[in-house]
Amino acid sequence: GEDVEQSLFLSVREGDSSVINCTYTDSSSTYLYWYKQEPGAGLQLLTYIFSNMDMKQDQRLTVLLNKKDKHLSLRIADTQTGDSAIYFCAEGGGSYIPTFGRGTSLIVHP
Amino acid sequence: KAGVTQTPRYLIKTRGQQVTLSCSPISGHRSVSWYQQTPGQGLQFLFEYFSETQRNKGNFPGRFSGRQFSNSRSEMNVSTLELGDSALYLCASSSTSGPLRLGGETQYFGPGTRLLVL
Repeated sequence: GEDVEQSLFLSVREGDSSVINCTYTDSSSTYLYWYKQEPGAGLQLLTYIFSNMDMKQDQRLTVLLNKKDKHLSLRIADTQTGDSAIYFCAEGGGSYIPTFGRGTSLIVHP
Repeated sequence: KAGVTQTPRYLIKTRGQQVTLSCSPISGHRSVSWYQQTPGQGLQFLFEYFSETQRNKGNFPGRFSGRQFSNSRSEMNVSTLELGDSALYLCASSSTSGPLRLGGETQYFGPGTRLLVL
């Protein structure tokens, strides 16, 4: 079945760039999403990219998609302590039935 | 504009009981999606309702059901509760159904209902 893999932890220094990686197995994935979950807070859809795109930029966020390698990454420029959270990658096909990764805990230290 | 509200926020039930959770979407939104989050299984999509019709369904047993009313409020029901149903249940609302469009639509999540089954 479909599988989405992410590394569990990433630690960065404040002001540096963070890159969170994700791999997926379903070649029919049409949509790929990044969600953010802060401690004690609900889930937030950060951004999404369509499979016919290579890159999407939204302020400090850059999403890169390598469809051949089924690899998705989220780059956060100038990472701040407020970016500390769990980031989930998800993929979905033509119907919205997303499959989520286990999440990457981003720790930002001064 | 009020956000997505979920009630109750916390709930304790015992095995074998049933439970109903409620989600009120943002005004004007017609799509409500439900998710289950557990330490063991992570985040999983339950189902999505749009204009009172179930549009998509995740891989959950029939004990999990839902419905949507004409005012877009949605309820999900879990019958014959099992210990493994203990989870944070999240709902999200959106103006569109299914995959998000390039028009910039997004999802808005509620704070969740934390269910503990004893």
